[in-house]
Order: sequence, then structure tokens, then C-alpha cells
Amino acid sequence: DIQLTQSPSFLSASVGDRVTITCRASQGIGSHLAWYQQNPGKAPQLLIYDTSTLQTGVPSRVSGRGSGTEFTLTITSLQPEDFATYYCQQLHTYPLTFGGGTKVEIK
Amino acid sequence: QVQLHESGPGLVKPSETLSLTCIVSGDSINSYYWSWFRQPPGKGLEWIGYVYYSGTTNYNPSLKSRVTISVDTSKNQFSLRLTSVTAADTAVYYCARREFSRYYYYWGQGTLVTVSS
Repeated sequence: DIQLTQSPSFLSASVGDRVTITCRASQGIGSHLAWYQQNPGKAPQLLIYDTSTLQTGVPSRVSGRGSGTEFTLTITSLQPEDFATYYCQQLHTYPLTFGGGTKVEIK
Repeated sequence: QVQLHESGPGLVKPSETLSLTCIVSGDSINSYYWSWFRQPPGKGLEWIGYVYYSGTTNYNPSLKSRVTISVDTSKNQFSLRLTSVTAADTAVYYCARREFSRYYYYWGQGTLVTVSS
């Protein structure tokens, strides 16, 4: 199985801050990576697919980049609705796997 | 608007079988892959497996011996069966549709299944 290691696991930030979450894969996954946002009690919401393509409706302050084994999700100018948990997911090889998650909390 | 809705018992006894159904509305189940995921309370996400509308399946090897996913195109729904459950199977179970891009945009709201006597 492809292991995805997300860092940090927890992030404390303020409204207006820029934050970056990293996702490292145990082997190359091309660009087949997605990022999700999850709020408590809700299903994951697709933010980014194919490493860097924003899902329709996702604000442009959110961006993704990377390739191969290292990927990042960046949110510039954090807004109150951005405080949530974020997961990366690889869709290169079955079984599909997820990173352990990054919880972004208000400082 | 595509909607997915999970249904099934919220409580299952240890060693018994967990059965859930995902009802799809707003679009045909045909031509897509349909997956089940789960998330233990306070933990991360796990892919359980998928079924294609034709009936082809693929399961996570970690669960393969206990999982069956099936599709009923006449009812526009698909189902999950997980046998010999233990407390470790307690989780919120989600169904989701794989888009032609291979990514998962449409998800059900999730249903909590607790394994307890």
C-alpha cells in the first residue's frame, strides 16, 4: 500500500495567516492526489484534485502543488471557514489511501 | 443534483454482519464506480472498496476477506456487507461516487455504525 504522511498533524493559526500542509507519499503517485476539507460531523469535501486543480467553488486562496512523492496544500489569508481538518488522498494505486489529517485550529 | 444517502442499522453486535445501503438520487448509477469509505470516531479515513455499475468490485486487502459490495441498478443503489465485525469496525461509513476524473466529489452524509453487545 502507498503510505501518505501528512504534516503537521495539528496547526494553530490566526485569521489572515498563510498556512501550508505537506503530504509525502511512500512512492511516486504522479499527480494523482486530492485534498479534502472536513468539518466536524460532515463528509469530506473535495478541494483540489490532480494535485493542483481547484474544484469548482473553492476560493482561489487555496492552492496545491507538487509531484511524485511530495505535495503541498497552501491557504493564503485564512478565513474563519477554513478552520477544519484537511486530508490528502492518493488515487494512483489501489488500495486508495489517505494521509492522517491536519487539524487547523484558531490561535 | 446528485445525492447519496446511507441507510442501515446503527448498532451491530460483535461477530455479526454489518449491512448498509447507499441510495443514489439525481442521476443514474450506471457508468460510474461507487465506493464505501469509513472513519472511526476521531480518526482518519479508510477506503473499503468499490463496485462498478456492471458489478465489478475491488476491495481493500485489509478488509477483503470480510467485505462484499454489490449494486442493484434497478433500484439505483449499492450495498456494503461486512462480516464478523468487532469493536474496531465502529465508524462513520460513507458512500461516494467516483467521477470520470477518478476523484470523489459526491459523498453521502455518513452513518455511524457502532459495534457493541
